[in-house]
Amino acid sequence: DAGITQSPRHKVTETGTPVTLRCHQTENHRYMYWYRQDPGHGLRLIHYSYGVKDTDKGEVSDGYSVSRSKTEDFLLTLESATSSQTSVYFCAISEVRDRGKGAHFFGQGTRLTVV
Amino acid sequence: DQQVKQNSPSLSVQEGRISILNCDYTNSMFDYFLWYKKYPAEGPTFLISISSIKDKNEDGRFTVFLNKSAKHLSLHIVPSQPGDSAVYFCAARKMNYGGSQGNLIFGKGTKLSVKP
Repeated sequence: DAGITQSPRHKVTETGTPVTLRCHQTENHRYMYWYRQDPGHGLRLIHYSYGVKDTDKGEVSDGYSVSRSKTEDFLLTLESATSSQTSVYFCAISEVRDRGKGAHFFGQGTRLTVV
Repeated sequence: DQQVKQNSPSLSVQEGRISILNCDYTNSMFDYFLWYKKYPAEGPTFLISISSIKDKNEDGRFTVFLNKSAKHLSLHIVPSQPGDSAVYFCAARKMNYGGSQGNLIFGKGTKLSVKP
């Protein structure tokens, strides 16, 4: 299994509060991603990173920001959580050799509930 | 607009028989296609991939077929086992262009149930 740890695994927060989810990898992979999974939508890309301090937006980036100050850590921040951000969030990593096959490797997920 | 479509939300198969999961895509610029398996409360697990220049790739009980003219791919599982019961996601990778190289676009998934 790829060495990817997401924290926390579960979180309940109130509308309007800031929330930060953490993804930590031990694989030294260059590329990191944040996805969300919702019923009827599959997996949708929020933001991704192609190196330290290099990030870009994905398909559903509104309301989210990311930071990557070290190769091993990729943080996802909800500046002011809304109920529409209730979801399961997955971090993924890939490396050039993996990307030759296109493969991303996923963490266990964080279930976030905004009440 | 959905670029990767899995039109069957669910599929039920008897143990030992073949499971066929289907996926359609609209973008001719995809260069790799992948299948992921997901159990409840776990992250998706990479299963098998195929390059757009191939029409078949096999790995044990899993075979992926690609029909580029029809923009269609399928995953065959033979023989199906109860442990294969999971949600299967089809994904496609866009060809490398600048910073967006390698990003995947996922279908909505098909829930496979293999009955003993």
